[in-house]
Amino acid sequence: SQELEQSPQSLIVQEGKNLTINCTSSKTLYGLYWYKQKYGEGLIFLMMLQKGGEEKSHEKITAKLDEKKQQSSLHITASQPSHAGIYLCGAALGGNQFYFGTGTSLTVIP
Amino acid sequence: SAVISQKPSRDICQRGTSLTIQCQVDSQVTMMFWYRQQPGQSLTLIATANQGSEATYESGFVIDKFPISRPNLTFSTLTVSNMSPEDSSIYLCSVGASYEQYFGPGTRLTVT
Repeated sequence: SQELEQSPQSLIVQEGKNLTINCTSSKTLYGLYWYKQKYGEGLIFLMMLQKGGEEKSHEKITAKLDEKKQQSSLHITASQPSHAGIYLCGAALGGNQFYFGTGTSLTVIP
Repeated sequence: SAVISQKPSRDICQRGTSLTIQCQVDSQVTMMFWYRQQPGQSLTLIATANQGSEATYESGFVIDKFPISRPNLTFSTLTVSNMSPEDSSIYLCSVGASYEQYFGPGTRLTVT
């Protein structure tokens, strides 16, 4: 079974629209990371959340970690073609193992 | 933080050959990790490489297919042996403890 589930699996939006990607775990998240990956390239670190209820923003991207620290959301406001790519959440769920979410493929239509 | 470089950035290889991917970190780190990302999928951990000991492989990955070297605290190599088209993936090295992970830019491998 997948430790971190992301939804939706893929998303196609019109430029200018808002969107939300969710990352859910059955275990408490100790440090939740969001990454972006352009197709065929390495990972780009976006944000890290550690505290329950924490919210961080960078440019038009906002990430939140719920109070129970089991779910995180990534929200993009007024999407642009440059936002296109694969978004991955990642987290340590105890021990030394780092887990990645199932990924969300985002396409932004100009 | 850590800055990680990988070589090569991409390669196209023939079936049956081997490719060695290098990972260089700008600081000394205890643990280095190698991941694979097959087309359309999330990342999968291949192995954990500690300096001075044999790498620890995850289920589904074996040393004969993915030998790893870790000669010092700033460098590691991953070899993809006897390649088949199924090995076409992005290979990423990573460093850090559980709560902070830094990734290399990745090596995009295409096997024909």
